[in-house]
Amino acid sequence: EDKVVQSPLSLVVHEGDTVTLNCSYEVTNFRSLLWYKQEKKAPTFLFMLTSSGIEKKSGRLSSILDKKELFSILNITATQTGDSAVYLCAVNSGNTPLVFGKGTRLSVIA
Amino acid sequence: GAVVSQHPSRVICKSGTSVKIECRSLDFQATTMFWYRQFPKQSLMLMATSNEGSKATYEQGVEKDKFLINHASLTLSTLTVTSAHPEDSSFYICSARGGTSGINEQFFGPGTRLTVL
Repeated sequence: EDKVVQSPLSLVVHEGDTVTLNCSYEVTNFRSLLWYKQEKKAPTFLFMLTSSGIEKKSGRLSSILDKKELFSILNITATQTGDSAVYLCAVNSGNTPLVFGKGTRLSVIA
Repeated sequence: GAVVSQHPSRVICKSGTSVKIECRSLDFQATTMFWYRQFPKQSLMLMATSNEGSKATYEQGVEKDKFLINHASLTLSTLTVTSAHPEDSSFYICSARGGTSGINEQFFGPGTRLTVL
């Protein structure tokens, strides 16, 4: 059974801190790994990773995939209160629905 | 990315009534649509997968007679919660796959918050 595990489940940091969120996976037919940010509504897309070792970056957020060790990390530098959200990791194993992890709830306090 | 809309965004209904939620892909043809349910502080739980013109495939534990899914066109899928009860209160999210992005992306709608009194 395909599985995605995120850690930590929750995290509280102060503004300006850097955080690293983890996502490990076991799937039978890996195609891509996706990161989403979810605030009060539906998830919004952050990154899609398909190749190992290539960092994707968007502002203060960056992510990288290790297909050998089957994990990905999402980094957020200089965190702001607006980064408070649940960050979801999902894996696409082809012509099947995304498999989601339980998410990491990040709280950034001023 | 492609745009997926949901309607309504919020609905409050009495126990025993049926509620229909629409999911539309606005600028691409969605060959596959997915319906998720999310309870507070929990991750998304896939309810069913629907391909245009065919019957939906329901996940284990999801009652197909209670959650009716229709994917009649490449841009529209509907989820009808029949005889809703308070325990059906949840956040329902659809997502769509298709268009030029191929099979690697799913685009999410904004979600529908259902409250059953």
